[in-house]
Amino acid sequence: DAGVIQSPRHEVTEMGQEVTLRCKPISGHNSLFWYRQTMMRGLELLIYFNNNVPIDDSGMPEDRFSAKMPNASFSTLKIQPSEPRDSAVYFCASSLGQHTTDTQYFGPGTRLTVL
Amino acid sequence: AQSVSQHNHHVILSEAASLELGCNYSYGGTVNLFWYVQYPGQHLQLLLKYFSGDPLVKGIKGFEAEFIKSKFSFNLRKPSVQWSDTAEYFCAVNALSGNTGKLIFGQGTTLQVKP
Repeated sequence: DAGVIQSPRHEVTEMGQEVTLRCKPISGHNSLFWYRQTMMRGLELLIYFNNNVPIDDSGMPEDRFSAKMPNASFSTLKIQPSEPRDSAVYFCASSLGQHTTDTQYFGPGTRLTVL
Repeated sequence: AQSVSQHNHHVILSEAASLELGCNYSYGGTVNLFWYVQYPGQHLQLLLKYFSGDPLVKGIKGFEAEFIKSKFSFNLRKPSVQWSDTAEYFCAVNALSGNTGKLIFGQGTTLQVKP
């Protein structure tokens, strides 16, 4: 298996622009997680899905952020409009299920820079 | 709110030295505990995890961790580090009640091993 795939790997954009990050989970995994990593706040869970349904979005910073999972093999995280403080590495992870014992497998991340 | 604290932010060791990275969590109930590692330029990988049973857990690459419930701790150890262990290490907790699948990460510890 190719593992969790994220695109793009790097994104540089200007403040106010829309940014869309993409994730393909491991085939057969039913849970998908979006994390953000910054120096100040470390790794934070933004949102997670189980069977394509958002279960917990309490970590989404504000309305500028939205996430979708239209099918089992694809998810997007959108920021509109983007701001410099959104600059971070965004990781997607997937797991077989949402049980607390299920290991989460992480993608390579998307490094976002908002100028 | 649940939180995870990693006391050492940056550790520098010489090869063959012993390693212990501290991790404490704040949650009074039953938890699952994880250590993840992020090698330079790579994504997070699972080192080891504890769910139940023997509190001394062995993981990959010679790492182990001990769960001490009375101290709310899950410290990571390795008797003899190698240069290739240079990486960032994250402790994570998943509380068994409430939000299933949701990992709370510590701030991370950067380990630098000098050859």
